[in-house]
Amino acid sequence: QSVLTQSPSASGTPGQRVTISCSGSSSNIGSNYVYWYQQLPGTAPKLLIYRNNQRPSGVPDRFSGSKSGTSASLAISGLRSEDEADYYCAAWDDSLSGWVFGGGTKLTVL
Amino acid sequence: QVQLVQSGAEVKKPGASVKVSCKASGYTFTDYYMHWVRQAPGQGLEWMGIINPSGGSTSYAQNFQGRVTMTSDTSRSTVSMELSSLRSEDTAVYYCARGVAYYDAFDIWGQGTMVTVSS
Repeated sequence: QSVLTQSPSASGTPGQRVTISCSGSSSNIGSNYVYWYQQLPGTAPKLLIYRNNQRPSGVPDRFSGSKSGTSASLAISGLRSEDEADYYCAAWDDSLSGWVFGGGTKLTVL
Repeated sequence: QVQLVQSGAEVKKPGASVKVSCKASGYTFTDYYMHWVRQAPGQGLEWMGIINPSGGSTSYAQNFQGRVTMTSDTSRSTVSMELSSLRSEDTAVYYCARGVAYYDAFDIWGQGTMVTVSS
């Protein structure tokens, strides 16, 4: 059971906007930054969003992150077939003194 | 370019130990932390711990305390993770990931090392 909660799956058609949510608690998301990682099939995870809403260079601005209270969201606009992947949220947890991840959301582009 | 290259796949028997290495290149090795994260087949990501290559200080996740040891060799720009008393549930892909800072992003990931524990 993951400390951060994500819906197991999400889907959309090309061009649509999709939102993936991540729920935590006061000891993790509520008091620390949220990070998002994209894992394409058969590959290592890749940093997608850092410090709640910042994009590393090279990440398209179709990807955006937000945080409110103990929840965070990743939005993908103008959905493309190559966005089909697993998406994980992560945060530092003050109570556990460690990094925690969500269980991952599998995004399917229909 | 910045990259992390991990050692190859391993097959171990229950009760044995495994050591996975991660060689860094393209940046100053001692300027960044290194995390270890694992992923069981079809499952999510699980943080195992962190090492500061400059000095070798470590912090391990509670689930792995007593079974994991992370080390750093600055002369070879390599960090290693050893997991002991292996059981079938330890079958997973093990990743090293560079940490921008202790409490910040994992910005570069290794390609992963598959460890299979089977009798």
